[in-house]
Amino acid sequence: KAGVTQTPRYLIKTRGQQVTLSCSPISGHRSVSWYQQTPGQGLQFLFEYFSETQRNKGNFPGRFSGRQFSNSRSEMNVSTLELGDSALYLCASSLEADTDTQYFGPGTRLTVL
Amino acid sequence: QKEVEQDPGPLSVPEGAIVSLNCTYSNSAFQYFMWYRQYSRKGPELLMYTYSSGNKEDGRFTAQVDKSSKYISLFIRDSQPSDSATYLCAMTVSTAGGTSYGKLTFGQGTILTVHP
Repeated sequence: KAGVTQTPRYLIKTRGQQVTLSCSPISGHRSVSWYQQTPGQGLQFLFEYFSETQRNKGNFPGRFSGRQFSNSRSEMNVSTLELGDSALYLCASSLEADTDTQYFGPGTRLTVL
Repeated sequence: QKEVEQDPGPLSVPEGAIVSLNCTYSNSAFQYFMWYRQYSRKGPELLMYTYSSGNKEDGRFTAQVDKSSKYISLFIRDSQPSDSATYLCAMTVSTAGGTSYGKLTFGQGTILTVHP
């Protein structure tokens, strides 16, 4: 079974721009969670989607948003990029239940100049 | 204070050593505990998943949970250079009530180097 895939793997943007990242979960997985990983803050939860609905959201500004499609693929968007948004963005998929094992993708490394 | 505390290391051990990695937590609602391994420029890979106090063994890895002390550990026996990575503890609450869907809370990660 193919793992979680994320595109693109690397991205360079400038301040003020917006960016969209994509995540394809493991086949059959319906829950997708997004995390931001930085050296200073570690891995922090952004939000979780299930059946096209956001069920949970972390403590991030409204510039961070996401959505999920009917095939469970998910995208996250960051508008008005700031230098501090430079990070590794990881998505994880799980079957459906809240305590199901989460499997992570390789991440998208975003650099904001 | 962070909900989950993990010594970032770095930890350097010789091949064959027993490695002990630890996390403490403050939220007594955490009921499910995981250990992930992350190689450089890769996503985290699940190593162990447990939800009860006590020990769980899988090959060279043993996960230990002590809910009364709010303390979890991962032991690696006969460590190998290929074990060199960042080890992350993670935990989540039971969602009776549905307030924590998909949210894992991670420790900062411990950087481990096993040298030949």
